[in-house]
Amino acid sequence: DAGVTQSPTHLIKTRGQQVTLRCSPISGHKSVSWYQQVLGQGPQFIFQYYEKEERGRGNFPDRFSARQFPNYSSELNVNALLLGDSALYLCASSLLAGVDGANVLTFGAGSRLTVL
Amino acid sequence: LAKTTQPISMDSYEGQEVNITCSHNNIATNDYITWYQQFPSQGPRFIIQGYKTKVTNEVASLFIPADRKSSTLSLPRVSLSDTAVYYCLVVTGSQGNLIFGKGTKLSVKP
Repeated sequence: DAGVTQSPTHLIKTRGQQVTLRCSPISGHKSVSWYQQVLGQGPQFIFQYYEKEERGRGNFPDRFSARQFPNYSSELNVNALLLGDSALYLCASSLLAGVDGANVLTFGAGSRLTVL
Repeated sequence: LAKTTQPISMDSYEGQEVNITCSHNNIATNDYITWYQQFPSQGPRFIIQGYKTKVTNEVASLFIPADRKSSTLSLPRVSLSDTAVYYCLVVTGSQGNLIFGKGTKLSVKP
């Protein structure tokens, strides 16, 4: 079975540009979450979508947006890129919305965004 | 939300048992303790979760004392491939997101 797949794996943008990152969850998983991980830090929660509805949002500016499609795949959009947006963007999927042991998050390998 | 405290880094040698302790003084009754492992340029991977006492799987053991204010992840006979960052998290089942700290960077040497 395919795990969580993310694309692109690497990309370089310049300040002010916009970027769209894509995520395909594990088949059957209805929840998709996005995390940002800057170098040397743990991942920070950005969004969770469950059954195509936004279920949670972290402390990120409105430049960050996301959506989930009927097939449960998801996109993360970041507008007006800043140098500080350079990070590894991780997508995670799970069967249900909670995060307890019966419903662990499975992460993809991430999309490495560099903003110049 | 409970915060966790764990060592920033640890060194070990191949074949040794490694114990990483995490403190979570404000853990709530409904919270679980969960550990994730992350290799460079990869997403975190679930290792183990427990509520109290001891949990063991094919990868690790998790020891949780009765007061649940701390927990210890035990990795038996580590190898070079266990070099990674290990995150201790406190989670509530109804919660949809994980709150990561900086984790413990484990370096296993030959």
